[in-house]
Amino acid sequence: QKEVEQDPGPLSVPEGAIVSLNCTYSNSAFQYFMWYRQYSRKGPELLMYTYSSGNKEDGRFTAQVDKSSKYISLFIRDSQPSDSATYLCAMSAGSQFYFGTGTSLTVIP
Amino acid sequence: GAGVSQSPSNKVTEKGKDVELRCDPISGHTALYWYRQRLGQGLEFLIYFQGNSAPDKSGLPSDRFSAERTGESVSTLTIQRTQQEDSAVYLCASSLAGLAAADTQYFGPGTRLTVL
Repeated sequence: QKEVEQDPGPLSVPEGAIVSLNCTYSNSAFQYFMWYRQYSRKGPELLMYTYSSGNKEDGRFTAQVDKSSKYISLFIRDSQPSDSATYLCAMSAGSQFYFGTGTSLTVIP
Repeated sequence: GAGVSQSPSNKVTEKGKDVELRCDPISGHTALYWYRQRLGQGLEFLIYFQGNSAPDKSGLPSDRFSAERTGESVSTLTIQRTQQEDSAVYLCASSLAGLAAADTQYFGPGTRLTVL
């Protein structure tokens, strides 16, 4: 079983839609949960991180962590064509980070 | 520049040859990570350097892989006797202090390695 599972998509939505991206994990020791955005031919960039369970909001982005279900989500409100990218979840319990495979998102104008 | 840089951006090599990939972290960042990203797969942790501490090499897939870092500067990842399954994008990231995810990792653009 992989440490982190993420649906690779691809996901295609119209501009303005609400997007929901999800990951599940198996290691209950994970404490830090992150979402990265990766544009084509670029390195990932950190969007948001959350420590332990709860919600965190930053503009149009909301990250949720449910440790009891070992499930994390990223919501994008009012999606824009510029949000088209691959979104990777990641989590850690120490110096090692475990990444999902990434979900490819396309926002259609 | 202000960001993490990697070279070369692309590398095509023949099976069995050695390759060396370079990473220049952001100045002042004590932590440096190497990852491998295969097509359609997530980032796979390879190795982690933190200051002058012994590196965490637990992610290196075989003894053909090795990495060095001089102080808190440049790092090189060496793959000996390359195999076709080594074809991937190799990403380097650095962070200020390496305190787990509380410290943002900044990624370079990666080196795309193709082994023929």
